Amino acid sequence: DAGVIQSPRHEVTEMGQEVTLRCKPISGHNSLFWYRQTMMRGLELLIYFNNNVPIDDSGMPEDRFSAKMPNASFSTLKIQPSEPRDSAVYFCASSLGQGHYNEQFFGPGTRLTVL
Amino acid sequence: DQQVKQNSPSLSVQEGRISILNCDYTNSMFDYFLWYKKYPAEGPTFLISISSIKDKNEDGRFTVFLNKSAKHLSLHIVPSQPGDSAVYFCAATADNFNKFYFGSGTKLNVKP
Repeated sequence: DAGVIQSPRHEVTEMGQEVTLRCKPISGHNSLFWYRQTMMRGLELLIYFNNNVPIDDSGMPEDRFSAKMPNASFSTLKIQPSEPRDSAVYFCASSLGQGHYNEQFFGPGTRLTVL
Repeated sequence: DQQVKQNSPSLSVQEGRISILNCDYTNSMFDYFLWYKKYPAEGPTFLISISSIKDKNEDGRFTVFLNKSAKHLSLHIVPSQPGDSAVYFCAATADNFNKFYFGSGTKLNVKP
């Protein structure tokens, strides 16, 4: 298996622009997680899906952030409009099952820079 | 408010010596703890875990210790190798939480 795939790997954009990050989970996994890594707060969970349904979006910073999972093999995280403080590395992870004993497999991340 | 804290942002250790990475948590409901390792430009990968019914779990050079009364866990790497240089994240969860709470990470540098 190719593992969790994220695109793009790097994104540089200007403040106010829309940014869309993409994720393809491991085939057969039914839980998907979006994380943001910053120096100050480490790895923060933004939102997670189970069977394509958003379960917990309490970590989404504000209305500028939205996430969708239209099918089992694809998810997007959108920021509109983007701001410099959104600059971070965004990780997608997937797991087989929703329970906490299920290991989460992370993608390589998307490094977002908002100028 | 972070429920899992790694108070040391970095640690430098000589090759062959022991590396000890520490993690504190505040939520007494947590019953399962994990360590993830992250190399630059890669996603975190699972390293080792421990359930709250144990106080120690060992896997090769890696051992995790859990002190529930102190709400503290630590990861010991013996002997440390240059390839262990990475960022280590501590995470915690509970049966009804369905998500992990991660710490801010500790960057380990093992010097040859």
